[in-house]
Amino acid sequence: AQSVTQPDIHITVSEGASLELRCNYSYGATPYLFWYVQSPGQGLQLLLKYFSGDTLVQGIKGFEAEFKRSQSSFNLRKPSVHWSDAAEYFCALDNYGQNFVFGPGTRLSVLP
Amino acid sequence: GAGVSQTPSNKVTEKGKYVELRCDPISGHTALYWYRQSLGQGPEFLIYFQGTGAADDSGLPNDRFFAVRPEGSVSTLKIQRTERGDSAVYLCASSYGGPRGDTQYFGPGTRLTVL
Repeated sequence: AQSVTQPDIHITVSEGASLELRCNYSYGATPYLFWYVQSPGQGLQLLLKYFSGDTLVQGIKGFEAEFKRSQSSFNLRKPSVHWSDAAEYFCALDNYGQNFVFGPGTRLSVLP
Repeated sequence: GAGVSQTPSNKVTEKGKYVELRCDPISGHTALYWYRQSLGQGPEFLIYFQGTGAADDSGLPNDRFFAVRPEGSVSTLKIQRTERGDSAVYLCASSYGGPRGDTQYFGPGTRLTVL
């Protein structure tokens, strides 16, 4: 069955430090992959998506993600975290064009 | 332009009652999705509409859950005989086309609490 795992439930980083959030998936074909961010009281916002082609994709707010087929991973990165990045981050895959499967999320805390 | 809106933002009901949750998608978006998000978990797919018809309702947990989109715009998620386990945030999303490749835009959600 299709699934998305995010091994880290909660990550804390200092402002200005680099960030990597892990995402692993299980899927029978080349997946369409997404990263969403959810701030308190806000709806989910798309950060970036991967369909095909270049395995390094750029998103909004300075985020990027790299698709690695050999590792079934789609990790999210940011070189320098800002306090406003504190939020919940969700990795998701398109389930054969029928619906989305979301991971459980990683909560990011940012220390001043 | 306006984003996806959901009403009410909060709903408290008693076990066994009937509730309706409303979603107004972005104008012109043909696809509409409902998800349920329990505390500490990612959104869980419930149902997907393409126009007026339910293209995929495989995520509805049981027959107490039902959703409609009669005119291809606003959608209502209906829950009969609510149970405490139905307590969650119900999210609605819309996209211009179908799920494959189109960005889904999410509403702020309706927090349902069943006492």
